[in-house]
Formats: sequence, structure tokens, C-alpha cells
Amino acid sequence: KNQVEQSPQSLIILEGKNCTLQCNYTVSPFSNLRWYKQDTGRGPVSLTIMTFSENTKSNGRYTATLDADTKQSSLHITASQLSDSASYICVVSEADSWGKLQFGAGTQVVVTP
Amino acid sequence: SAVISQKPSRDICQRGTSLTIQCQVDSQVTMMFWYRQQPGQSLTLIATANQGSEATYESGFVIDKFPISRPNLTFSTLTVSNMSPEDSSIYLCSVDPGLGQPQHFGDGTRLSIL
Repeated sequence: KNQVEQSPQSLIILEGKNCTLQCNYTVSPFSNLRWYKQDTGRGPVSLTIMTFSENTKSNGRYTATLDADTKQSSLHITASQLSDSASYICVVSEADSWGKLQFGAGTQVVVTP
Repeated sequence: SAVISQKPSRDICQRGTSLTIQCQVDSQVTMMFWYRQQPGQSLTLIATANQGSEATYESGFVIDKFPISRPNLTFSTLTVSNMSPEDSSIYLCSVDPGLGQPQHFGDGTRLSIL
């Protein structure tokens, strides 16, 4: 069973609207959680990285939240743009296993004009 | 942040042949990783490649099928051997820059086996 579950699997939003992506994980012990953006035909690019003690982290129009108690994270995209169309991947790092990551399946976001 | 170049970016190969994928980093890194991403799916770690030691393979991946070289701190290769259509996938390398920074990924090699 995948230790990182993302929802929804895909969504379509109108340009200018906001959206929120969800990530639930069971990885333990927890080290940090990252959100990556993967454009079609490109490798994943890091948006945010949060450790246990961080609740919120922003990167421009992207805001990630983390609730380490409930093992949930979200990624909020504000005022979406066409260039936001991509797959967004939630990735959790295990403590004591340096470099080893657990990947979610990703949420495919399509922003339409 | 580290800049990663992968070659080739894509290839179409015949069944039973082998292909070597190169990964070049513009700075010295200790840990490099090779991943596979099948269509519509997430990334799966194939192996961890540290300079000066044998690669460490994940369950389901073996050295005979995916031999890896790591001759120095800026370069690694992954070979996909005796390819079959099931090996059609995207293969990505990544590096861990350390100091709590997230892994950086190359743009991947899109491999199709006929």
C-alpha cells in the first residue's frame, strides 16, 4: 500500500480561480514533506519543503500546509494561471533513511482559459 | 541549485538491446538516485548511487538488469539491459544537494521499446 495518498487524482479549473490539493501520508518516522511540480516532459521541480515544526510555507502563489499530527498536507494554488497546468506530487521523506523518498501518485491539474 | 543534464532525452529501441543513460551534474554531489516513472504513475526508486561504492538497489530491481556506474562526484550512468516492452518508461536521475535541500531532478529519458 502506498504510504502517500493524494486527492483528487485530477482536476480542471478556470484560469484565475483557486484550488487546493490534498495529501495524506502514513510514513513514519517523518522527516519532511515536499511538494513538487512536474510539467509534461520535464522532471519534477520543488515548490516547498516542510519539516515537522512547520505548518505553512509559501512560494509565490503556492501555499503548502502541514498537520503532522493528522499526517495531512495541502497545496493551495491562488489565482491560477495557464502555466500551472501540471502534475503536483506530494513526497515524504523518512527519518533515518537519508535521501529515501515516498512519492504520491500526483494530482493532474489542468487550467483552462 | 544543481543543474542536471540527462542524455539521451528520448530513444526508441529494439527488444533485446541495451541503452545507457547519462546523468551529468554541474556540481559535486555525494548521493545520486535513479528513478523510473511509468505512464501516469508516480516515481519509483531504482537505486541509489554513491561515488566510490556499489549502487544500492531497491526491491524488484537487480544489477544485471540495471547496472549503474558512478565514476566521480558529478556523473552517473544507468544501463537498461536486454530491454523488453515492459521497460518502456521515463527514467530520471536526481541528486541530493544536502543541507536540507530537496532533491533536484533531471528532465528524464523517455524510452520506448518496440
